[in-house]
Amino acid sequence: QQQVKQSPQSLIVQKGGISIINCAYENTAFDYFPWYQQFPGKGPALLIAIRPDVSEKKEGRFTISFNKSAKQFSLHIMDSQPGDSATYFCAASIAGGTSYGKLTFGQGTILTVHP
Amino acid sequence: DAGITQSPRHKVTETGTPVTLRCHQTENHRYMYWYRQDPGHGLRLIHYSYGVKDTDKGEVSDGYSVSRSKTEDFLLTLESATSSQTSVYFCAISDYGDEQYFGPGTRLTVT
Repeated sequence: QQQVKQSPQSLIVQKGGISIINCAYENTAFDYFPWYQQFPGKGPALLIAIRPDVSEKKEGRFTISFNKSAKQFSLHIMDSQPGDSATYFCAASIAGGTSYGKLTFGQGTILTVHP
Repeated sequence: DAGITQSPRHKVTETGTPVTLRCHQTENHRYMYWYRQDPGHGLRLIHYSYGVKDTDKGEVSDGYSVSRSKTEDFLLTLESATSSQTSVYFCAISDYGDEQYFGPGTRLTVT
């Protein structure tokens, strides 16, 4: 059962543009939504995360927008740079407690930023 | 990689042979996880641990077993490797069950 759906599968953006990746989830019990960035041959690296008590979180050029009623969240990369070219994964979990933070991942988006 | 090492980093093995992958952390985090990454599937949870000797199954646990005898080590065993287990395996750790930090991965090929 695919509980987190991510789109698009691939994205090409020009340097300086805005990259937008979207995710939708089904399980309303999820209460932690991280985004991971992965470069070829490396493990995923935690980029930014949000909890459903806020609708937006910004860290530098990266922003998560969260819509609880629509069960959707998105990653915005402002002023995209060639160094941002990587695969991005959204994920969701029920943090801590007896669910132990098990992450459910989206399928990933390959972002290419052209110079 | 947040004090996480995985060994081996690459392995080629034959169908039917047992394989053990090791995850070692120096962060003293309570939670440890094993994921596999395959094209088109993102990362999927195999098994996880919420303490020494406390483990449970994830989404894709068939054909895998785990053990955690010390806080710092989490072992993933393929009892009899199959070609469908060719994948990249990632270990992750978490202190409170929210932020997870991933290791560098092990690329396993089963021929």
